[in-house]
Amino acid sequence: QKEVEQDPGPLSVPEGAIVSLNCTYSNSAFQYFMWYRQYSRKGPELLMYTYSSGNKEDGRFTAQVDKSSKYISLFIRDSQPSDSATYLCAMTPNSGYSTLTFGKGTMLLVSP
Amino acid sequence: GAVVSQHPSRVICKSGTSVKIECRSLDFQATTMFWYRQFPKQSLMLMATSNEGSKATYEQGVEKDKFLINHASLTLSTLTVTSAHPEDSSFYICSARGGTQYFGPGTRLLVL
Repeated sequence: QKEVEQDPGPLSVPEGAIVSLNCTYSNSAFQYFMWYRQYSRKGPELLMYTYSSGNKEDGRFTAQVDKSSKYISLFIRDSQPSDSATYLCAMTPNSGYSTLTFGKGTMLLVSP
Repeated sequence: GAVVSQHPSRVICKSGTSVKIECRSLDFQATTMFWYRQFPKQSLMLMATSNEGSKATYEQGVEKDKFLINHASLTLSTLTVTSAHPEDSSFYICSARGGTQYFGPGTRLLVL
């Protein structure tokens, strides 16, 4: 079993839809969870950064972490064509000096 | 804030030549920088962790004599691909740690 599992997609939705992106993980030591957005041929851009279990909201984006289930989600409300990108989840045991473990990324396509 | 730049954004070189890629943290100091490579439709693969003033730590399977990393200051790390071959063609991305990891825009290397 890989440390972080993420469905590669593509996930196709119409504009305005609510999008749910998910990752599961196996390492219970992970405490910090991140979501990155990567446009084609660009570097990843940090979207959300959360610690431990709970929800965090930022505009149209909501990140959820359920450590008991080892499951994290990113919700995008009122999705826009400009949200079309690959979304990578990442996690680490601590925020300081540890490297990140990434999912493979989910490609999202939002059609007008 | 938290801007990371990379230079060049794209480079084409002949087989056997060496290529240097620069990674700079523009508005914060980074004692630790990371170098990744990414193949098409694949996730990020960590190559090495670069610590200012000390030797880089390479991931298993990454040739340290081929991928030379220098982190001479708190805002600059360089990756030199020595004697590049076509199989080294890839998208190279750096990140700098400032709380979490912030990524540069990437460098696309094509070795002919």
